[in-house]
Amino acid sequence: GNSVTQMEGPVTLSEEAFLTINCTYTATGYPSLFWYVQYPGEGLQLLLKATKADDKGSNKGFEATYRKETTSFHLEKGSVQVSDSAVYFCALSDGSGGSNYKLTFGKGTLLTVNP
Amino acid sequence: DGGITQSPKYLFRKEGQNVTLSCEQNLNHDAMYWYRQDPGQGLRLIYYSQIVNDFQKGDIAEGYSVSREKKESFPLTVTSAQKNPTAFYLCASRSSGGLYSNQPQHFGDGTRLSIL
Repeated sequence: GNSVTQMEGPVTLSEEAFLTINCTYTATGYPSLFWYVQYPGEGLQLLLKATKADDKGSNKGFEATYRKETTSFHLEKGSVQVSDSAVYFCALSDGSGGSNYKLTFGKGTLLTVNP
Repeated sequence: DGGITQSPKYLFRKEGQNVTLSCEQNLNHDAMYWYRQDPGQGLRLIYYSQIVNDFQKGDIAEGYSVSREKKESFPLTVTSAQKNPTAFYLCASRSSGGLYSNQPQHFGDGTRLSIL
């Protein structure tokens, strides 16, 4: 079956530090990959997505590249801000057969950015 | 603005009581989903519906029930059979346009359910 593995948190950084959150996956077919962000007490918001190999998703200074050869979709940001403190979820959607309508999520990584 | 509305934001349940969580969307999405979120466990799928009057069990459907009588509404009932209902519940919807697997899910702001 499909699965997503994220680096375990929590991750604590100082403002303006470089961020990497690792995400690897296993899937049948040709999955689309997503990063979601969840701020305290809120639902999930789509941060970025990539739908095929070598695609790079980007938004609000965050980037992630779909690497089929390493089955990875690592999230990066060059300079984090306090406002980036949140939980980040990696997810995949497998385009094959009956799983077409479901997302598989990682367990989430809590990021705290200190001023 | 289009979006997903979950209500109430906080809900309390007494022992032996059924409670219903509301989820309404005005995005004209065909598919809707319910997830349960517990600390450190990510999101687990309870039920999902691809079209009106049809729904399927997810990974943790026991103790829950749903209905899908209207496209825009997908209420979740937490029954007394659910022995550990305290959690954060998230509703989501998804477009069926284009290549389906490319479409992201859009989430509501959640309902936090607690036991009295």
